[in-house]
Amino acid sequence: ETGVTQSPTHLIKTRGQQVTLRCSSQSGHNTVSWYQQALGQGPQFIFQYYREEENGRGNFPPRFSGLQFPNYSSELNVNALELDDSALYLCASRTGTDSYEQYFGPGTRLTVT
Amino acid sequence: AQSVSQHNHHVILSEAASLELGCNYSYGGTVNLFWYVQYPGQHLQLLLKYFSGDPLVKGIKGFEAEFIKSKFSFNLRKPSVQWSDTAEYFCAVMPTGANNLFFGTGTRLTVIP
Repeated sequence: ETGVTQSPTHLIKTRGQQVTLRCSSQSGHNTVSWYQQALGQGPQFIFQYYREEENGRGNFPPRFSGLQFPNYSSELNVNALELDDSALYLCASRTGTDSYEQYFGPGTRLTVT
Repeated sequence: AQSVSQHNHHVILSEAASLELGCNYSYGGTVNLFWYVQYPGQHLQLLLKYFSGDPLVKGIKGFEAEFIKSKFSFNLRKPSVQWSDTAEYFCAVMPTGANNLFFGTGTRLTVIP
Protein backbone atom coordinates (compact mmCIF):
# COMPACT_ATOMS: atom_id res chain seq x y z
CA GLU A 1 0.00 0.00 0.00
CA THR A 2 1.26 3.46 -0.87
CA GLY A 3 -0.91 5.66 1.35
CA VAL A 4 -2.58 7.22 -1.69
CA THR A 5 -6.32 6.71 -1.57
CA GLN A 6 -8.95 7.33 -4.22
CA SER A 7 -12.72 7.45 -4.23
CA PRO A 8 -14.98 6.10 -5.43
CA THR A 9 -13.67 2.71 -6.49
CA HIS A 10 -16.12 2.30 -9.33
CA LEU A 11 -18.49 4.69 -11.05
CA ILE A 12 -21.01 4.39 -13.87
CA LYS A 13 -22.11 7.53 -15.67
CA THR A 14 -24.11 8.37 -18.77
CA ARG A 15 -22.68 10.19 -21.77
CA GLY A 16 -22.95 13.95 -21.32
CA GLN A 17 -22.88 13.84 -17.54
CA GLN A 18 -20.19 15.26 -15.29
CA VAL A 19 -18.04 13.35 -12.80
CA THR A 20 -15.74 14.20 -9.90
CA LEU A 21 -13.05 11.82 -8.72
CA ARG A 22 -11.11 12.31 -5.50
CA CYS A 23 -7.60 11.57 -4.32
CA SER A 24 -5.83 11.86 -1.00
CA SER A 25 -2.08 12.02 -1.39
CA GLN A 26 0.45 10.25 0.75
CA SER A 27 1.45 12.13 3.88
CA GLY A 28 4.13 14.71 3.14
CA HIS A 29 3.47 14.72 -0.61
CA ASN A 30 2.55 18.11 -2.08
CA THR A 31 2.47 17.15 -5.75
CA VAL A 32 -0.37 15.17 -7.27
CA SER A 33 -0.70 13.87 -10.82
CA TRP A 34 -3.64 12.29 -12.57
CA TYR A 35 -3.39 9.61 -15.24
CA GLN A 36 -5.94 7.91 -17.46
CA GLN A 37 -5.44 4.20 -18.18
CA ALA A 38 -7.66 2.90 -20.95
CA LEU A 39 -8.18 -0.82 -21.24
CA GLY A 40 -5.07 -2.54 -22.57
CA GLN A 41 -3.00 0.65 -22.49
CA GLY A 42 -0.45 2.26 -20.26
CA PRO A 43 -1.40 5.23 -18.11
CA GLN A 44 -1.46 8.61 -19.87
CA PHE A 45 -0.72 11.85 -18.06
CA ILE A 46 -3.67 14.21 -17.66
CA PHE A 47 -2.24 16.96 -15.43
CA GLN A 48 -0.28 17.71 -12.31
CA TYR A 49 -0.96 19.96 -9.34
CA TYR A 50 1.67 21.49 -7.11
CA ARG A 51 0.72 23.70 -4.18
CA GLU A 52 -2.82 24.11 -5.47
CA GLU A 53 -1.75 25.22 -8.96
CA GLU A 54 -1.81 23.23 -12.18
CA ASN A 55 1.79 23.05 -13.40
CA GLY A 56 1.74 20.56 -16.20
CA ARG A 57 -0.83 19.13 -18.56
CA GLY A 58 -0.94 16.30 -21.06
CA ASN A 59 -2.89 16.07 -24.28
CA PHE A 60 -6.37 16.21 -22.75
CA PRO A 61 -9.16 18.69 -23.59
CA PRO A 62 -10.27 21.45 -21.20
CA ARG A 63 -13.31 19.46 -20.09
CA PHE A 64 -10.78 17.61 -17.92
CA SER A 65 -10.09 19.93 -15.01
CA GLY A 66 -8.83 19.62 -11.49
CA LEU A 67 -8.30 21.13 -8.10
CA GLN A 68 -5.83 20.71 -5.30
CA PHE A 69 -6.70 21.68 -1.76
CA PRO A 70 -4.51 23.08 1.03
CA ASN A 71 -4.13 19.59 2.50
CA TYR A 72 -2.82 18.49 -0.94
CA SER A 73 -5.78 16.26 -1.71
CA SER A 74 -7.06 16.62 -5.23
CA GLU A 75 -10.08 16.28 -7.48
CA LEU A 76 -10.39 15.41 -11.13
CA ASN A 77 -13.49 16.74 -12.86
CA VAL A 78 -14.63 15.61 -16.26
CA ASN A 79 -17.49 17.43 -18.00
CA ALA A 80 -19.59 16.29 -20.94
CA LEU A 81 -18.56 12.67 -20.57
CA GLU A 82 -17.89 10.68 -23.72
CA LEU A 83 -17.84 6.92 -24.17
CA ASP A 84 -14.06 7.05 -24.69
CA ASP A 85 -13.64 8.48 -21.20
CA SER A 86 -14.29 5.00 -19.84
CA ALA A 87 -11.02 4.08 -18.15
CA LEU A 88 -9.18 3.60 -14.90
CA TYR A 89 -8.19 6.98 -13.46
CA LEU A 90 -5.06 6.92 -11.39
CA CYS A 91 -3.79 9.46 -8.93
CA ALA A 92 -0.12 9.62 -8.03
CA SER A 93 1.64 11.71 -5.45
CA ARG A 94 5.26 12.65 -4.76
CA THR A 95 7.16 14.77 -2.30
CA GLY A 96 7.77 17.63 -4.71
CA THR A 97 8.33 18.55 -8.30
CA ASP A 98 12.01 17.71 -7.96
CA SER A 99 11.24 14.15 -6.85
CA TYR A 100 10.96 11.59 -9.61
CA GLU A 101 9.39 8.79 -7.62
CA GLN A 102 5.61 8.69 -7.79
CA TYR A 103 3.29 6.62 -5.64
CA PHE A 104 0.05 5.48 -7.19
CA GLY A 105 -3.38 4.99 -5.69
CA PRO A 106 -5.67 2.06 -6.54
CA GLY A 107 -7.59 4.03 -9.15
CA THR A 108 -11.22 4.77 -9.92
CA ARG A 109 -12.84 2.68 -12.64
CA LEU A 110 -15.17 4.95 -14.65
CA THR A 111 -17.64 3.44 -17.08
CA VAL A 112 -19.54 5.76 -19.41
CA THR A 113 -22.63 4.30 -21.05
CA ALA B 1 7.59 13.39 -29.05
CA GLN B 2 8.63 11.11 -26.25
CA SER B 3 7.54 7.51 -26.56
CA VAL B 4 8.10 4.26 -24.74
CA SER B 5 7.90 0.93 -26.55
CA GLN B 6 7.29 -2.44 -25.00
CA HIS B 7 7.41 -4.94 -27.80
CA ASN B 8 6.19 -7.96 -25.87
CA HIS B 9 2.46 -7.65 -25.36
CA HIS B 10 1.88 -11.01 -23.70
CA VAL B 11 4.52 -13.39 -22.41
CA ILE B 12 3.74 -16.87 -21.13
CA LEU B 13 6.38 -18.73 -19.13
CA SER B 14 6.59 -21.79 -16.96
CA GLU B 15 7.72 -21.44 -13.39
CA ALA B 16 11.53 -21.28 -13.00
CA ALA B 17 12.00 -19.96 -16.53
CA SER B 18 14.05 -16.82 -17.04
CA LEU B 19 12.37 -13.57 -17.95
CA GLU B 20 13.44 -10.62 -20.04
CA LEU B 21 10.99 -7.87 -21.00
CA GLY B 22 12.09 -5.28 -23.48
CA CYS B 23 11.68 -1.53 -23.13
CA ASN B 24 12.93 1.14 -25.51
CA TYR B 25 12.33 4.85 -25.31
CA SER B 26 12.80 7.78 -27.60
CA TYR B 27 14.14 10.86 -25.87
CA GLY B 28 17.43 12.60 -26.48
CA GLY B 29 18.07 14.08 -23.06
CA THR B 30 18.63 12.75 -19.58
CA VAL B 31 15.94 10.41 -18.37
CA ASN B 32 14.85 8.64 -15.23
CA LEU B 33 13.62 5.11 -15.83
CA PHE B 34 11.13 2.95 -13.99
CA TRP B 35 9.45 -0.42 -14.07
CA TYR B 36 6.04 -0.69 -12.45
CA VAL B 37 4.02 -3.83 -11.84
CA GLN B 38 0.26 -4.13 -11.61
CA TYR B 39 -0.90 -7.37 -10.02
CA PRO B 40 -4.49 -8.42 -10.79
CA GLY B 41 -6.85 -6.15 -8.89
CA GLN B 42 -4.06 -4.14 -7.31
CA HIS B 43 -2.54 -0.71 -7.82
CA LEU B 44 0.63 0.13 -9.70
CA GLN B 45 3.70 -0.66 -7.64
CA LEU B 46 7.27 0.43 -8.26
CA LEU B 47 9.55 -2.52 -9.04
CA LEU B 48 12.75 -0.61 -9.61
CA LYS B 49 14.14 2.71 -10.78
CA TYR B 50 17.20 4.17 -12.40
CA PHE B 51 18.26 7.77 -11.93
CA SER B 52 22.03 7.66 -12.41
CA GLY B 53 25.14 5.63 -11.60
CA ASP B 54 25.42 1.86 -12.01
CA PRO B 55 23.31 0.97 -15.06
CA LEU B 56 22.38 -2.38 -13.55
CA VAL B 57 19.73 -1.80 -10.93
CA LYS B 58 18.12 -4.27 -8.60
CA GLY B 59 14.55 -4.03 -7.44
CA ILE B 60 12.13 -5.89 -5.29
CA LYS B 61 11.22 -9.58 -5.63
CA GLY B 62 14.43 -10.53 -7.44
CA PHE B 63 13.91 -8.26 -10.46
CA GLU B 64 16.70 -6.29 -12.08
CA ALA B 65 17.03 -4.02 -15.07
CA GLU B 66 19.88 -2.78 -17.20
CA PHE B 67 20.07 0.70 -18.69
CA ILE B 68 21.90 0.74 -22.01
CA LYS B 69 22.14 4.39 -23.00
CA SER B 70 23.40 3.73 -26.52
CA LYS B 71 20.39 1.54 -27.24
CA PHE B 72 17.86 3.71 -25.38
CA SER B 73 16.82 0.54 -23.58
CA PHE B 74 15.90 -0.47 -20.05
CA ASN B 75 15.11 -4.17 -20.12
CA LEU B 76 13.67 -5.98 -17.12
CA ARG B 77 15.02 -9.38 -16.09
CA LYS B 78 14.43 -12.09 -13.55
CA PRO B 79 16.42 -15.34 -13.52
CA SER B 80 13.59 -17.57 -12.31
CA VAL B 81 9.94 -16.52 -12.37
CA GLN B 82 7.26 -17.68 -9.97
CA TRP B 83 3.53 -18.10 -10.42
CA SER B 84 3.07 -15.03 -8.19
CA ASP B 85 4.87 -12.89 -10.81
CA THR B 86 1.79 -13.11 -13.03
CA ALA B 87 0.94 -9.45 -13.60
CA GLU B 88 1.10 -6.53 -16.01
CA TYR B 89 4.49 -4.84 -16.26
CA PHE B 90 4.92 -1.25 -17.35
CA CYS B 91 8.08 0.53 -18.34
CA ALA B 92 8.02 4.29 -17.73
CA VAL B 93 10.28 7.23 -18.46
CA MET B 94 10.43 10.63 -16.83
CA PRO B 95 12.75 13.04 -18.63
CA THR B 96 14.77 15.14 -16.23
CA GLY B 97 12.82 18.30 -15.49
CA ALA B 98 9.55 16.88 -16.75
CA ASN B 99 6.39 16.73 -14.69
CA ASN B 100 5.15 13.33 -15.67
CA LEU B 101 5.85 9.74 -16.50
CA PHE B 102 5.53 8.41 -20.03
CA PHE B 103 4.39 4.80 -19.94
CA GLY B 104 4.68 1.97 -22.39
CA THR B 105 1.60 -0.04 -23.28
CA GLY B 106 2.53 -2.78 -20.85
CA THR B 107 3.45 -6.46 -21.06
CA ARG B 108 1.17 -9.05 -19.58
CA LEU B 109 3.13 -11.87 -17.99
CA THR B 110 1.45 -15.20 -17.31
CA VAL B 111 3.43 -17.75 -15.34
CA ILE B 112 2.18 -21.31 -15.53
CA PRO B 113 2.75 -23.44 -12.42
